[in-house]
Amino acid sequence: NAGVTQTPKFQVLKTGQSMTLQCAQDMNHEYMSWYRQDPGMGLRLIHYSVGAGITDQGEVPNGYNVSRSTTEDFPLRLLSAAPSQTSVYFCASSSMTGSYTFGSGTRLTVV
Amino acid sequence: SQQGEEDPQALSIQEGENATMNCSYKTSINNLQWYRQNSGRGLVHLILIRSNEREKHSGRLRVTLDTSKKSSSLLITASRAADTASYFCATVTQGGSEKLVFGKGTKLTVNP
Repeated sequence: NAGVTQTPKFQVLKTGQSMTLQCAQDMNHEYMSWYRQDPGMGLRLIHYSVGAGITDQGEVPNGYNVSRSTTEDFPLRLLSAAPSQTSVYFCASSSMTGSYTFGSGTRLTVV
Repeated sequence: SQQGEEDPQALSIQEGENATMNCSYKTSINNLQWYRQNSGRGLVHLILIRSNEREKHSGRLRVTLDTSKKSSSLLITASRAADTASYFCATVTQGGSEKLVFGKGTKLTVNP
């Protein structure tokens, strides 16, 4: 099993550009989440999903969109990139009330 | 706002010593989880403890949970240089939406 796969691993964007961070899991997990990690801030929840077709906002949702059309995929869209969105992004998935499996992260720089 | 708050923010010990990290949280929980993150890597799940449990063990790890004080501790016994990492507690709120919310972490350095 691949677990949670995130692509790309690294990305540089110009201010105002849009892009999609991909996340896929092959464990048939219901729950999927996106986090961003900034120095000294730990992980902050951006958006999460409890199943296909269901998404909700986390702590820092502004500037990001998500959709969950399938159980396996949970892409994160940056609508108009800003330097404040420079961060490391992690996708994670879990079965009900279980532990989360994390992807290896996407390091995003917005210039 | 972040649910968990780890203490201390940084801890430096010698190999062979025990390391204790604490986590306090704000609201009633369904479960509390501890994760490890090596520098520049993704997070790895260590232990999950449910709200009706008081203590769990996994190898050299011991986690306690005190729901009356809304706090948890992670003890790593006989630490090794390879235990050097950041450790995070995270909670799933009771009656909530199963979202997992993290604290800011404790950076542990184990000196050989």
